[in-house]
Amino acid sequence: KAGVTQTPRYLIKTRGQQVTLSCSPISGHRSVSWYQQTPGQGLQFLFEYFSETQRNKGNFPGRFSGRQFSNSRSEMNVSTLELGDSALYLCASSGDMGYEQYFGPGTRLTVT
Amino acid sequence: GIQVEQSPPDLILQEGANSTLRCNFSDSVNNLQWFHQNPWGQLINLFYIPSGTKQNGRLSATTVATERYSLLYISSSQTTDSGVYFCAVEELTGGGNKLTFGTGTQLKVEL
Repeated sequence: KAGVTQTPRYLIKTRGQQVTLSCSPISGHRSVSWYQQTPGQGLQFLFEYFSETQRNKGNFPGRFSGRQFSNSRSEMNVSTLELGDSALYLCASSGDMGYEQYFGPGTRLTVT
Repeated sequence: GIQVEQSPPDLILQEGANSTLRCNFSDSVNNLQWFHQNPWGQLINLFYIPSGTKQNGRLSATTVATERYSLLYISSSQTTDSGVYFCAVEELTGGGNKLTFGTGTQLKVEL
């Protein structure tokens, strides 16, 4: 079974721009979660989608948003980028029958 | 929200040595996972262990849910074991899939 995939792997953006990251879960998994990792704040939960509905949300500003499609692929969007949004963005998928989460390789975003 | 503490924060070992990493959490959980983050940033699943003991090769883990801690044992360490080890938990009352991560243990194994 293929693992979780994320695109793009690396991205450089300028302050004020917006960015969209994509995540394809393991086949059959309907839950997709997003996390942000920075040296200062560590790994923090952004949000989780299950069957196209946001089921859980972390403490991030409204500039961070996401969605999930009917094939369970998910996208997250960050608008009006700030320097502090530079981070590794990880997505994870989970099946219906268990809580174990499996992570993708991440997208490394640099905001200049 | 739930708090997760990992110790030690840093660990340097000689190849072949054994080590124990600890994860304390502040509330009841229905999910606890150990991960190894490789140099490229990917989180590799080591154990899904909300309670009990599991072993996988040179690694084993024990979670004592009633006392709110988990231990990761690494035996006969190798240089490839270097990296950051994270413990992550999901609160029992959390709903959905939301992991709270500890700050990690940075492990360096030297020849």
